[in-house]
Amino acid sequence: AQKVTQAQTEISVVEKEDVTLDCVYETRDTTYYLFWYKQPPSGELVFLIRRNSFDEQNEISGRYSWNFQKSTSSFNFTITASQVVDSAVYFCALTKRSGNTGKLIFGQGTTLQVKP
Amino acid sequence: GAGVSQSPRYKVTKRGQDVALRCDPISGHVSLYWYRQALGQGPEFLTYFNYEAQQDKSGLPNDRFSAERPEGSISTLTIQRTEQRDSAMYRCASSLGTGFEQYFGPGTRLTVT
Repeated sequence: AQKVTQAQTEISVVEKEDVTLDCVYETRDTTYYLFWYKQPPSGELVFLIRRNSFDEQNEISGRYSWNFQKSTSSFNFTITASQVVDSAVYFCALTKRSGNTGKLIFGQGTTLQVKP
Repeated sequence: GAGVSQSPRYKVTKRGQDVALRCDPISGHVSLYWYRQALGQGPEFLTYFNYEAQQDKSGLPNDRFSAERPEGSISTLTIQRTEQRDSAMYRCASSLGTGFEQYFGPGTRLTVT
């Protein structure tokens, strides 16, 4: 069975602080994809990143960076110099790379509050 | 280009009524998914289409829930004989194919009174 755990329910930081959101996953599949989505207060779900299980290179996009470690089954997300606009619920998700389903298994989400 | 659209955005219905929720995916996206999201939770998978074929319906809670995508584009999720426990945000997503990133619509907030 597949499972995604986001142990941090809520995190509160002050603007300009760095913050890391943890994601730990479980899967028996050898090939899979990992994702992060952002859900701001307005409610929409916004795609941030997709990572192939074959590619363990870290990725950086502006103030966002992702650390994928297969050895610990983790896919953590770091926001550098946080801003108030980063306040949102962040979801980590997992899907198989093969088979006739593309269903995403989501974690419970981490609510990030960035205070001015 | 246009994103995923869903209608209606809000639906209030009385227990026992049938409801139909519509999803219009991004043009060219062959894969379409339905999820349900309760407050404070992550989205939960309901069903998946590849073109017009429903390839996975393992997440549909019971036989009151059904979905179709007859021409491989627009999809409808139907809930028959609604119950209060069906109240939730219903989200549709589409992607270029299996494993690609899924783009979500704004959702339909269903309230069963």
